[in-house]
Amino acid sequence: QVQLQESGPGLVKPSQTLSLTCTVSGGSISSGSYYWSWIRQPAGKGLEWIGRIYTSGSTNYNPSLKSRVTISVDTSKNQFSLKLSSVTAADTAVYYCARDVPGIAFDYWGQGTLVTVSS
Amino acid sequence: SYELTQPPSVSVSPGQTASITCSGDKLGDKYACWYQQKPGQSPVLVIYQDSKRPSGIPERFSGSNSGNTATLTISGTQAMDEADYYCQAWDSALGVFGGGTKLTVL
Repeated sequence: QVQLQESGPGLVKPSQTLSLTCTVSGGSISSGSYYWSWIRQPAGKGLEWIGRIYTSGSTNYNPSLKSRVTISVDTSKNQFSLKLSSVTAADTAVYYCARDVPGIAFDYWGQGTLVTVSS
Repeated sequence: SYELTQPPSVSVSPGQTASITCSGDKLGDKYACWYQQKPGQSPVLVIYQDSKRPSGIPERFSGSNSGNTATLTISGTQAMDEADYYCQAWDSALGVFGGGTKLTVL
């Protein structure tokens, strides 16, 4: 059973960079034709797809966030990471990592981690 | 950018059928999927490739997708089905979610 776990600071100051890591267990991040995605959800609001990465390093980003987002992968650690720069209060949200079956669905999700942007 | 539109809320009586729609331009030409999210929990995939159910999802959940509209149908709705439901599709290589529908079972 694949499991995903987000980790990183729960509080980030405005204008700084948000950094999160997702650790995948129960299977190799390199096995199968999967992408690995980040998705966020502000309190009381809907889901927003941030972007994804393939283990080759190929990425796709939400155009609305593209200028501030970097997603990377470390196959040796079975992890992938999110960096979001120049954050504001609008970036406060629960951030989820998920396994992405290309063109199909997000079939496994992490438990989510709350990141608050505040001074 | 591609958009998916859902009704903010749907109400249903226990045992009845609930239908939640998701509209998008030529959505029927894409695969749609649906997620259920209960308060404080991560979303759970309940329908993928328009109408397929992942292992462990009850048969009362079904889906369809044609034209500009995908529909999630819950037959014999139970109190435990009360949750937020999100549709999702891919526009080229970009993931898009609907705004979500709160299903109330009363």
